[in-house]
Amino acid sequence: GEDVEQSLFLSVREGDSSVINCTYTDSSSTYLYWYKQEPGAGLQLLTYIFSNMDMKQDQRLTVLLNKKDKHLSLRIADTQTGDSAIYFCASFNKFYFGSGTKLNVKP
Amino acid sequence: ETGVTQSPTHLIKTRGQQVTLRCSSQSGHNTVSWYQQALGQGPQFIFQYYREEENGRGNFPPRFSGLQFPNYSSELNVNALELDDSALYLCASSNPGTGSSYGYTFGSGTRLTVV
Repeated sequence: GEDVEQSLFLSVREGDSSVINCTYTDSSSTYLYWYKQEPGAGLQLLTYIFSNMDMKQDQRLTVLLNKKDKHLSLRIADTQTGDSAIYFCASFNKFYFGSGTKLNVKP
Repeated sequence: ETGVTQSPTHLIKTRGQQVTLRCSSQSGHNTVSWYQQALGQGPQFIFQYYREEENGRGNFPPRFSGLQFPNYSSELNVNALELDDSALYLCASSNPGTGSSYGYTFGSGTRLTVV
């Protein structure tokens, strides 16, 4: 089967950088996405990366893709308390989500 | 441009009952997919509809069924509810013709509790 795996928890201090990691098995993934979910809410698309790219930067967000290792990461610069949420990586070639990484930002 | 709206927001049903959840796609989107998100888990793909036809299904039993209407809105029906069906049900829409780079737009979900 196909899997998308993430670490479950990450705790950082406000102002630090956060790095959330994801590994996937579906090598045919064309696009890989990062979604944010706040308590009681749906999923908000944060950013995406096309499979032929290594890096994409979007304001405070940087996505790195290592296709050889099937590893995706999301870096949030200058993390704020409002960034506290669950972050999911997803591949939509086969509709798979990771189990989510809960980011806790301490003041 | 309206987003994806789901109704109802919360629902309590008894085991064995049937339930219908509704989703209005974002304007211009012709594809809708449904996900089940159990507490503390990532969303699990149930199925997808494109132009009123089911064109993908996850590992869910036949008692999970759906419809997509000509206006691209959609329903998820679950028969013979079980306690384990308690979850947040998410609907997402997209328009593949605009390129998958925009991913799917999600609704806020319907919280179903089966007692």
